[in-house]
Amino acid sequence: KNQVEQSPQSLIILEGKNCTLQCNYTVSPFSNLRWYKQDTGRGPVSLTIMTFSENTKSNGRYTATLDADTKQSSLHITASQLSDSASYICVVSLYNTDKLIFGTGTRLQVFP
Amino acid sequence: SAVISQKPSRDICQRGTSLTIQCQVDSQVTMMFWYRQQPGQSLTLIATANQGSEATYESGFVIDKFPISRPNLTFSTLTVSNMSPEDSSIYLCSVAGQGTGANVLTFGAGSRLTVL
Repeated sequence: KNQVEQSPQSLIILEGKNCTLQCNYTVSPFSNLRWYKQDTGRGPVSLTIMTFSENTKSNGRYTATLDADTKQSSLHITASQLSDSASYICVVSLYNTDKLIFGTGTRLQVFP
Repeated sequence: SAVISQKPSRDICQRGTSLTIQCQVDSQVTMMFWYRQQPGQSLTLIATANQGSEATYESGFVIDKFPISRPNLTFSTLTVSNMSPEDSSIYLCSVAGQGTGANVLTFGAGSRLTVL
C-alpha cells in the first residue's frame, strides 16, 4: 500500500535552534517528493520538490534530502524563527500519474 | 505561481444544510482539485474539477454529496450537501502548474467549515 509516514508528529524547539523532520514512504513507482509548509488557517505552500535523481534541495533555511534507495527524506530547518511554527507536510507523487500521497504532517512550534 | 482566492474562509453551519465554496484563480488552469483536511489529518483528494465535463471523484466521495461546478478555466465551486458534524473540515482548492519538470500544486487558503 502506498503510504507516507512522518515523524515526529509534533516538535517544540527554541528560536535559533536547528531541527530535522523525517519522512518515510512506501510509494512505488516514485516520481517526486515535495515538502509543504502549512501555517495555521492557511493552505499548504511548497518548499521543495525533488525528483528521483536529486539528493538535496535547499530553499533558504530549509534543506530537504532524499534517499530513494531507502525511501527516506528529511527536512532540515536551520536557525529556526518564530515564523517557522507551522505544520510540515511530506507529499509523494506516484510515477506517471497525477496521484499524490500526503503524509499527516509534523507540527512544529518554535518558542522564543 | 497562480494566486487562488477561496471563500468563505470559514463558516458555521447547521446540520442538514448545504454550503457552496468558491475558488477563483488569477490565471487559466486546466486542472483544479478539491481536497478535504479533517482535524489532525492529512489532505484527502475529493475530486478533480474538469472544465466542460463532469468532475472525477475519488473513492469514497460521490457527486450527490459533493457536487462540483467548473464553468470556465478560472473558477470552480464545491458544494457540501446535507451536512453533518462529520463534514467539519478544511476544504482546499488547488491547481497544478509546471515547475522543475514536476507538477507543483498551489493551494488556496482553505475554507474551514464547522457543522453543528
